[in-house]
Amino acid sequence: EVQLVESGGGLVQPGGSLRLSCSASGFIFTSYAMYWVRQAPGKGLEYVSGINTNGGRTNYADSVKGRFSISRDNSKTTLSLQMSSLRVEDTAIYYCVKSQFGEYYYYVLDVWGRGTTVTVSS
Amino acid sequence: QSVLTQSPSASGTPGQSVTISCSGGSSNIGSNTVSWYQQLPGTAPKLLIYFDDQRPSGVPARFSGSKSGTSASLAISRLQSEDEADYYCATWDDGLKGGVFGGGTKLTVL
Repeated sequence: EVQLVESGGGLVQPGGSLRLSCSASGFIFTSYAMYWVRQAPGKGLEYVSGINTNGGRTNYADSVKGRFSISRDNSKTTLSLQMSSLRVEDTAIYYCVKSQFGEYYYYVLDVWGRGTTVTVSS
Repeated sequence: QSVLTQSPSASGTPGQSVTISCSGGSSNIGSNTVSWYQQLPGTAPKLLIYFDDQRPSGVPARFSGSKSGTSASLAISRLQSEDEADYYCATWDDGLKGGVFGGGTKLTVL
């Protein structure tokens, strides 16, 4: 069974840092691009970041560029999102998402994790 | 506001058909394929349609997608109570160089 399990969410103060992880199983991790997508409370979906199969190409939404960093460890089938300089508006459920393809710009999100909640508040 | 425009709400009665629209521009829908996602209350989104009109295995044929120019549509026939959910369109934007979503349409089955 294809599965994505996020962890690392929590409460953090504005300006703080947090690292999210996503453990992948049930598919050939090295064959697919991966994404982070977030959803603020009561709001719609927002693309955060994408990474290709070997981690050599990454992409970020303007809202997080320079503050967030996506990476993957193919040997551990794990996707990560390092978040720094966090703002109140970063408060959201963060979903780890598998692409149907090897490159992130073929934007088909075919498997979603259950999400991990990040709350930025003082 | 979202790059892709969706009506905030739609409704229908069981057995009816409903269409949800998604409007974009030349750098997104006009240049790339569209996918649709269903988010049931309290759950993660699920892929419903990809490549404008393709259904993943397991998605009922009652769900269909289409695209023309810079707009796309999701049609749901023979509405059922379990179709009550939020629906999002999505595609890649060549100008923004990133993924974009519609604001979502909340479907109510009366």
